[in-house]
Amino acid sequence: EVQLVESGGGLIQPGGSLRLSCAASGFTFSNFWLNWVRQVPGKGLVWVSRINTDGSRTDYADSVKGRFTISRDNAENTLYLQMNSLRAEDTALYHCARDFYGAYDHWGQGTPVAVSS
Amino acid sequence: EIVMTQSPATLSVSPGERATLSCRASQSVSSNLAWYQQKPGQAPRLLIYGASTRATGIPARFSGSGSGTEFTLSISSLQSEDFAIYYCQQYDNWPYTFGQGTKLEIK
Repeated sequence: EVQLVESGGGLIQPGGSLRLSCAASGFTFSNFWLNWVRQVPGKGLVWVSRINTDGSRTDYADSVKGRFTISRDNAENTLYLQMNSLRAEDTALYHCARDFYGAYDHWGQGTPVAVSS
Repeated sequence: EIVMTQSPATLSVSPGERATLSCRASQSVSSNLAWYQQKPGQAPRLLIYGASTRATGIPARFSGSGSGTEFTLSISSLQSEDFAIYYCQQYDNWPYTFGQGTKLEIK
């Protein structure tokens, strides 16, 4: 069974940093592109970042470019999102999602990030 | 960026009846369109990709249609577990974008 389990979220002050993790199991991790998608409670879904199978290519939404860094450890089956210079508007539930030709066929439950003073 | 617009925002349907949800793209996305279901406190679940292909394990009462800019998700004979929020997503043009969702509620 495919499982994606996020961790690392929490309450952080504006300007602070957090590192999110997504532990994967049940599939060959190194064969899949992976994504981070965020969701403001009661609102919709917004793609944040993606990474290719070996980590050599990354893409970011304009709203996080230069502040967030996606990475992966294929030996540990783990996806990461380093978030720096956090803003109030980054407050959301952050999901990792497995890429399936552009759609996302498996999602984690998410880890909450709250940016507030 | 392609804007995805879903309608209606809320749809009230009785169990056993058919529900039809719409999604419109601001420019053509060919058939690169997915539908997701999300229940409270749960992760989204992929229902349909390629506009009309059901994902693994998705019941046949879910069907998708359309291409270009107009898409439809139909759910025949609604079951209690189908009441949820449904999102469409285009993956034709970067960045991939989602609609704002349609809440399907019990009438």
